[in-house]
Amino acid sequence: NAGVMQNPRHLVRRRGQEARLRCSPMKGHSHVYWYRQLPEEGLKFMVYLQKENIIDESGMPKERFSAEFPKEGPSILRIQQVVRGDSAAYFCASSASAETQYFGPGTRLLVL
Amino acid sequence: QKEVEQDPGPLSVPEGAIVSLNCTYSNSAFQYFMWYRQYSRKGPELLMYTYSSGNKEDGRFTAQVDKSSKYISLFIRDSQPSDSATYLCAIASGGGADGLTFGKGTHLIIQP
Repeated sequence: NAGVMQNPRHLVRRRGQEARLRCSPMKGHSHVYWYRQLPEEGLKFMVYLQKENIIDESGMPKERFSAEFPKEGPSILRIQQVVRGDSAAYFCASSASAETQYFGPGTRLLVL
Repeated sequence: QKEVEQDPGPLSVPEGAIVSLNCTYSNSAFQYFMWYRQYSRKGPELLMYTYSSGNKEDGRFTAQVDKSSKYISLFIRDSQPSDSATYLCAIASGGGADGLTFGKGTHLIIQP
């Protein structure tokens, strides 16, 4: 019974490159959430998706960030033209309908 | 005023002590309350979930919610060194089907 899977676990990018973070929810879960944890900060909600739909993106920065959860395959969080301020741990969580959220191990992004 | 306030600690107690961790929140629309435990460089792990005022017990852990005071607590009995971690409170207005609002977390140290 695999939990939430995220890859890569660590990602290094230079300023201006693109970062792609992947998340596979727990089996049977159709809700996916992305959070960001900056150093010395709490977890901040970014976006909530169901299959092929963005439900709530109120926490997403307006530029350079996008997310998708296609019919087949993992959810992707994409950051274009990364800057040093994007360095953080990015966590994905999943839930069944209206149930509690279970988190993955996170992707630690370092922008040089 | 932040939506969720949580003392970051660190909180250091001797092994075997009872630990009390607390959060306050400002928005009465929040109806669902969770506690997560996060070990260093790991993803948050769900400990407790409740949606009503009162107490909920699970093993050595007790979650307490006082909606009238907008105050939530987590008690850990017979604390052990393996309990050393950061404890995050999280709240939501719609159960698991919306983004969680987290406190910054309390760093707990159990001294052997």
